[in-house]
Formats: sequence, structure tokens, C-alpha cells
Amino acid sequence: QSVMTQPPSASGTPGQRVTISCSGSSSNMGSNALNWYQHVPDAAPRLLIYSSSLRPSGVSDRFSGSKSGTSASLAISGLQSEDEADYYCAAWDDSLNAWVFGGGTKLTVL
Amino acid sequence: QHQLQESGPGLVKASETLSLTCAVSGASIRSDNYYWGWIRRPPGKGLEWIGSISYSGSTYYNSSLKSRVTMSVDTSKNQVSLKFNSLTAADTAVYYCARYNFWSGPSYDTWGRGTLVTVSS
Repeated sequence: QSVMTQPPSASGTPGQRVTISCSGSSSNMGSNALNWYQHVPDAAPRLLIYSSSLRPSGVSDRFSGSKSGTSASLAISGLQSEDEADYYCAAWDDSLNAWVFGGGTKLTVL
Repeated sequence: QHQLQESGPGLVKASETLSLTCAVSGASIRSDNYYWGWIRRPPGKGLEWIGSISYSGSTYYNSSLKSRVTMSVDTSKNQVSLKFNSLTAADTAVYYCARYNFWSGPSYDTWGRGTLVTVSS
């Protein structure tokens, strides 16, 4: 059971906009930076969003993040086949004194 | 820019100790801007944080794993290591090395591709 909750799956067609939610608590995303990762099987996980809404250099502006209180979301616009991957949210948890991750959302591009 | 490459035995026996190495290339690990972490992903499950270490040897461990984990750093070889003892089948996972960046979040902003470790009985 993951500390932060994500839907196990999401899907969309090419060109569509999809959103992935992440729900946490006051001890993790409620008080700390929230980050999003993309993980294609057999590849290195990739940081997509940090501090809830900031993109690292090189990440497409098709990816955007937002957070309100203990809920966050990742939006992917102009969906492409290469976006098919697992997506994880992550934050430091002050109660557990550990980095915690959501259970992951498998995105399928139909 | 740092690149990370994990290496390890692939298959270990239950009750034994796992030793993994993360070779860092592209830049020195001697920086106050970064820590170096280990995260694992058991098959069919999500990511689990194991801990992190600075180049000077300061460590932070997941309390649920702390009694079995030791991390170390070798600045002369530009690498970090993980030792994990008293292994069980539940420790079967892909183990990732990642750079912890204080200036981006903070976050683990650069990852290796991971190394699969299978614990056999």
C-alpha cells in the first residue's frame, strides 16, 4: 500500500490531453515539494516535474504539473505514442522521514 | 553532467548480503549540491526509497530498511555502494542509483537504468 495514491491506469488517443492524479497527506505533499517521474520499462526513470510545477531543462512543455493542498496532478497535452510509460509522484514525508512514492499510473496511448 | 551506472551480481541467495555499486561518470561526485541515493522497484510494485549518502559519507536511511542497509562512497573511484544483508525473496527488485539535487525540488533528478537483483531460496 503506497503512502500516496495514484490511479493504476490511464489512457488516451494521440493528440488528446490526459491528467494523472496523486493524493497524499499533510506530512508529504502538503508540506514538501512534489515531483513527477516518467518510467519507460528498461530505461532510467526521468524527472518530469519538480516542486509541483517546474520542468527540468529538456522536458517538453506538453508536460505540466499542479498542486493544491494534498492533491496534485500531472497533465500531458498533445499525447504521443512515446508518452506510453509508468508515471510516479514523489515527495518527502516528514512523519516517515523518508521519500515516498505513489503506486504509479500506467499510461496507455490507444 | 552526471551519468550513473549500477552493477551487481544479478542473483543472490536468501540470507546472504547483496553488494551493489553505482559508477558515476561525467563529473565528480564531490559536490555539496548533491547526495547519492538508492531506490528499488520490486516486480509488480511501486518504487521504494532505500536511502542516500553525501560525498563526505553522511547517510539517511529508510527506517524500515535501516537495520539491513549500509551505504558508502569512494571519491577516488567516483562511485557509491550499497550493501543489503539478510536478504529474502521480498528484496527481489530492480535497484536504481540516483542523484539527489538540492536545487531542483529537491528531487532525484538523474537516474541509472537499474540493475535487477533476484533473491533465490
